[in-house]
Amino acid sequence: ETGVTQSPTHLIKTRGQQVTLRCSSQSGHNTVSWYQQALGQGPQFIFQYYREEENGRGNFPPRFSGLQFPNYSSELNVNALELDDSALYLCASSLEWGAGAEAFFGQGTRLTVV
Amino acid sequence: GQQLNQSPQSMFIQEGEDVSMNCTSSSIFNTWLWYKQDPGEGPVLLIALYKAGELTSNGRLTAQFGITRKDSFLNISASIPSDVGIYFCAGRPMNRDDKIIFGKGTRLHILP
Repeated sequence: ETGVTQSPTHLIKTRGQQVTLRCSSQSGHNTVSWYQQALGQGPQFIFQYYREEENGRGNFPPRFSGLQFPNYSSELNVNALELDDSALYLCASSLEWGAGAEAFFGQGTRLTVV
Repeated sequence: GQQLNQSPQSMFIQEGEDVSMNCTSSSIFNTWLWYKQDPGEGPVLLIALYKAGELTSNGRLTAQFGITRKDSFLNISASIPSDVGIYFCAGRPMNRDDKIIFGKGTRLHILP
């Protein structure tokens, strides 16, 4: 039990729609990062939020956006959904970031785009 | 882009056997992490390594941070049925430690 919780656990959306996924970080952790895991692959870094600011981004288009709130919980928003967006979306929280920071993952949200 | 090459892709072993898997990179990492993921769950952190040459154990698991900072290995001794799952190596690159890069995973199967 990592203390990182994500909602919802499963979601089905239609191509072109928008989706919001939520993450509650472990108590005391000020950094949240989001990952996309396609079937049979390792997680891919989407972006990271530190103290409510985005401070790192992977190779994902601008239609992937996020927010971090004062309590350090976070949202991932995806606009104009495509079929290839179907994946497990993972949120990870850490105490600070960078070298030495261990990331603890939630159970993920399984998104299916039809 | 930066990649981690993890091997083997899958392993079939007998209960009680030792297991070894490794991860290499073309670039330098300042943190190595090993995770286990069960079906329908998020990755669970097993071992974290912070210094080149560091050897760390967690029960039957042992991992090492390679001297070159470009590789790491994970050993599991005396495997048991609950060791079944997918093991991921992961690390924070020296020049982009905001993100964690993952390998493609090693799927461990234990034969009865």
